[in-house]
Amino acid sequence: SQTIHQWPATLVQPVGSPLSLECTVEGTSNPNLYWYRQAAGRGLQLLFYSVGIGQISSEVPQNLSASRPQDRQFILSSKKLLLSDSGFYLCAWRTGLMGANVLTFGAGSRLTVL
Amino acid sequence: DAKTTQPPSMDCAEGRAANLPCNHSTISGNEYVYWYRQIHSQGPQYIIHGLKNNETNEMASLIITEDRKSSTLILPHATLRDTAVYYCIGEGYNQGGKLIFGQGTELSVKP
Repeated sequence: SQTIHQWPATLVQPVGSPLSLECTVEGTSNPNLYWYRQAAGRGLQLLFYSVGIGQISSEVPQNLSASRPQDRQFILSSKKLLLSDSGFYLCAWRTGLMGANVLTFGAGSRLTVL
Repeated sequence: DAKTTQPPSMDCAEGRAANLPCNHSTISGNEYVYWYRQIHSQGPQYIIHGLKNNETNEMASLIITEDRKSSTLILPHATLRDTAVYYCIGEGYNQGGKLIFGQGTELSVKP
């Protein structure tokens, strides 16, 4: 079966520290992968998406970067966190590659920057 | 992407049908309407999608008006577990899967 894993689930980081969030997908190959962020009390913001290894598209300028070193691995990073980077980060992969845009989301990583 | 408009919040009595409206007057002919929901502190969950015809699955029904300018998601027998934020999204078919979420409708199912 197809599953998506995100970790860590929760983390608290000081301002200026680095960040690495990891997402892996099992049971599929060459998925489209996505990173979304949800700030407290707000909607989901698409940050990055990837259609293949090494192919990253950024949707908004920010203090974050994404990488896809392997087919089913998607990493969200920052060199120096800002307070505004706090939020709920969600990884998703796209099913229905014949057309339907059905995204399956992971459980999320809740980041608090202090 | 089609701009969608949803009421910010709605209440529904447990056991009754929940009808969640969505306006998408600028939707183009090849854009599907997708519905997702997000239960507090969880990732969004796909519910249903459609283009022109009404659709039904084990979770809900989707009614799309003939002019495609609006749609309604129907939860036939709402339960307390259906309390969530519901998102209506218009997105081009097979366009990289970039779903842009709006603010959604916060549905509260009350006993």
